[in-house]
Amino acid sequence: QVQLVQSGGEVGKPGASVKVSCKASGYTFTNYGISWLRQAPGQRPEWLGWISGYNGDTKFAQKVQGRVSLTTDTSTSTAYMELTSLRSDDTAVYFCARFFPGFGVGSYVLDYWGQGTLVTVSS
Amino acid sequence: EIVLTQSPDTLSLSPGEGATLSCRASQSPRSNYVAWFQQRPGQAPRLLIYGASSRATGIPDRFSGSGSGTDFTLTISRLEPEDFAVYYCQQYGTSPWTFGQGTKVEIK
Repeated sequence: QVQLVQSGGEVGKPGASVKVSCKASGYTFTNYGISWLRQAPGQRPEWLGWISGYNGDTKFAQKVQGRVSLTTDTSTSTAYMELTSLRSDDTAVYFCARFFPGFGVGSYVLDYWGQGTLVTVSS
Repeated sequence: EIVLTQSPDTLSLSPGEGATLSCRASQSPRSNYVAWFQQRPGQAPRLLIYGASSRATGIPDRFSGSGSGTDFTLTISRLEPEDFAVYYCQQYGTSPWTFGQGTKVEIK
């Protein structure tokens, strides 16, 4: 069965960086993309960007562009999100989610999600 | 960016009743690429509906989606105890992908 398993919670100081991993199993990693989202306490999810599992192409939300880096390791079917220059409003649960980057009604749908990783920014 | 506004913010209902949740977009998402998610406390969102009206794998048929253009609806025909949760609409047709603020379905 499809599973996305994320790394454990992180605490980072303002101005520092944090890196979260998302290990995929149960499907062919290179046939899908991975999107990253975050959700602050009591807030709606916020889309951060996505990366193609096939060729590493990326797309980012303007709000975090320049501070978010997305990479993949196809040998281990793992995606990574690094967030730099941490600020207090980056405190949130970060999720990875799978999507199929094709055409038609089923494409770009976030069909499977990781369990979430709490990132806390605190001095 | 496309702003999604959901109504109502909270729906107080009893098990067995039906629920109708609305999502209005500030502009029409490309190809009606609208999804609905259910989120229970402490869990990741769970995909219910995509493409405005297609049910995701394993989702019971009491959940249905409809709409086009700028107005979309999620209908739950008969609420089961596990359906009391927060529901989000999302558009993925135009970057940046955006979510509504959520509708909480609570037990009356």
